[in-house]
Amino acid sequence: SAVISQKPSRDICQRGTSLTIQCQVDSQVTMMFWYRQQPGQSLTLIATANQGSEATYESGFVIDKFPISRPNLTFSTLTVSNLSPEDSSIYLCSVALTPGLGHEQYFGPGTRLTVT
Amino acid sequence: AQSVSQHNHHVILSEAASLELGCNYSYGGTVNLFWYVQYPGQHLQLLLKYFSGDPLVKGIKGFEAEFIKSKFSFNLRKPSVQWSDTAEYFCAVKSTNAGKSTFGDGTTLTVKP
Repeated sequence: SAVISQKPSRDICQRGTSLTIQCQVDSQVTMMFWYRQQPGQSLTLIATANQGSEATYESGFVIDKFPISRPNLTFSTLTVSNLSPEDSSIYLCSVALTPGLGHEQYFGPGTRLTVT
Repeated sequence: AQSVSQHNHHVILSEAASLELGCNYSYGGTVNLFWYVQYPGQHLQLLLKYFSGDPLVKGIKGFEAEFIKSKFSFNLRKPSVQWSDTAEYFCAVKSTNAGKSTFGDGTTLTVKP
């Protein structure tokens, strides 16, 4: 299993600013993901954070808006840039211990972002 | 691309009632199937999973799910729900060698005491 912590747990930010969210895992993991969960909606994958290389973004998400770093196998950051009220959401860090069949994902507690 | 459809957006039951939450997926290859649960104020966590073998899988807290390949379904069941089962339930599918899962829209279960 994996224990994931995220910082901050919540924040209120002004329009036009940026927020950087940190994700720390208690063990080395191959795959780390960033999701967005908007109120009353499902989890939407933003990107896969790749260690030592650029993140892989899903359709509709771009690096300029959601820059991601992954300096090692236990840590990643997601920045939400140029904030607008539409970015208000819960952002979740998730990991998979291995990419193969039979392995579930583990989730962090989430970061609740409110943009005013 | 794979997708997941959960039929019920919000389910309200009384304690001791039986539960079945529908989940269908679209993907032609080999898949893993999961049900995750998010209790109020808690992390999203695994309830149960299927990756091979017996299509009827049992998870925590008396939940079970049946994989019916011909119907592309993975419905979640519990014979008698408790108030503590009030939570958000997500069905998810993962294809071979993909670390990431695709999630359904979720079902909010409210159990009345």
